[in-house]
Parts: sequence; C-alpha cells; structure tokens
Amino acid sequence: NAGVMQNPRHLVRRRGQEARLRCSPMKGHSHVYWYRQLPEEGLKFMVYLQKENIIDESGMPKERFSAEFPKEGPSILRIQQVVRGDSAAYFCASSPPDRANEQFFGPGTRLTVL
Amino acid sequence: AQSVTQPDIHITVSEGASLELRCNYSYGATPYLFWYVQSPGQGLQLLLKYFSGDTLVQGIKGFEAEFKRSQSSFNLRKPSVHWSDAAEYFCAVGGTSYGKLTFGQGTILTVHP
Repeated sequence: NAGVMQNPRHLVRRRGQEARLRCSPMKGHSHVYWYRQLPEEGLKFMVYLQKENIIDESGMPKERFSAEFPKEGPSILRIQQVVRGDSAAYFCASSPPDRANEQFFGPGTRLTVL
Repeated sequence: AQSVTQPDIHITVSEGASLELRCNYSYGATPYLFWYVQSPGQGLQLLLKYFSGDTLVQGIKGFEAEFKRSQSSFNLRKPSVHWSDAAEYFCAVGGTSYGKLTFGQGTILTVHP
C-alpha cells in the first residue's frame, strides 16, 4: 500500500505566479488534510476535505488560497499570485473514514517564492 | 481553543543516554495525543498515539509516552538514544470529532557520539 504521495516535492515560483500542489491519499482514505510549516515553526492546519466537500477551512488564508478534493484524482491546494511569505513546506495527510484521527503524512512540497 | 506547548526548542544528549521530551496541551475535552518525528527534508512519521486506556503507550523505535491528565502533559521518553534518533519531534493534539491536529513548535534533538 503506497503512502501519501505529494508532487511536486519542490516548487519554485516567482511572485505573482500560481502554485498548484497535489496530494494523492493512501488507498482507502477519503479524508485529506493540508498543513503548512513555515520556517522555524510547527505545522499549522489549513483545511480538511472529504471527497467533493470542504469540511473545515478555518486555517486557510482568506485570499489567494483554495483547495479541492474532486471525486476523481488528487486533492489540489492552489495558491494564486504567490508572495514571498508563502514560501513554506506544505504537507498533506490522509486518514481512513472511520479513524479520522489517524493521519498519515506525505513527504511535503517545499514551495520557494523568488 | 486547543494548544500544544513544547518548552524545549533544542535538546542535546549523548548517544546511549536517556531522553525525555516535554509536551503540555490545552484541550477542553478528552484529547487524542500524538508524537511525530520529522527528519530533515522529510515528512512526519507517527511515533505513537494516545486515545484512551492505559496512560503509558508504547511506540515505534523504542519510544514511549505517558499521559498525565492532572498535569496536562504527554512527555515522550526513550531509555537509550541512538544517533539515528537525531531529528525534530512534534507533539500534537486532536479532538474526537474529526482529525484536525494542533501541533507544538517542535523540539530539535541532537545526539552526540
């Protein structure tokens, strides 16, 4: 059983460009979580999704950030018009539907904004 | 609101010495508690978790943690540290409704030979 997959592992964008981060959950997992890790900080919750539904987006910045988890395909975290402050590691985690607290993390995407 | 405090930002121990990493949490109900380890440039690996029952939980790689409700603590311990344990360790708390986790700021462990 493959683990949580994230791509790309490293992403470089210039200010004003868009960043798209992908997350494929483990097989059988229908819950996806996105976290952001800023330099020298712990992980901060961003958003919790189930298939085709956003359950909790209380940690998402109000502007420029969006997330989706379509019926088919990976979950996508989209950052529009990136700024230098968006440079961080973005981690995705997934959990099975009956054990939402057991989260398995992907290797992360390290976003650098020039 | 839930929160996690890891008082020690950086700990250095000698290989073979014992280890204790501190974690204090704030949560309004019965918490779900976790310890994760992160090696440089890597994702997080779950070391152990506490949901209920025995307050002393065993994890992978020889780690254990003890839940103390009266002290709101969930400290991580290992009797004898190996050089490969050098990494950053995160304590996290979650609720029973769903799995949103709140993490501490992490403790960086350095192991001297």
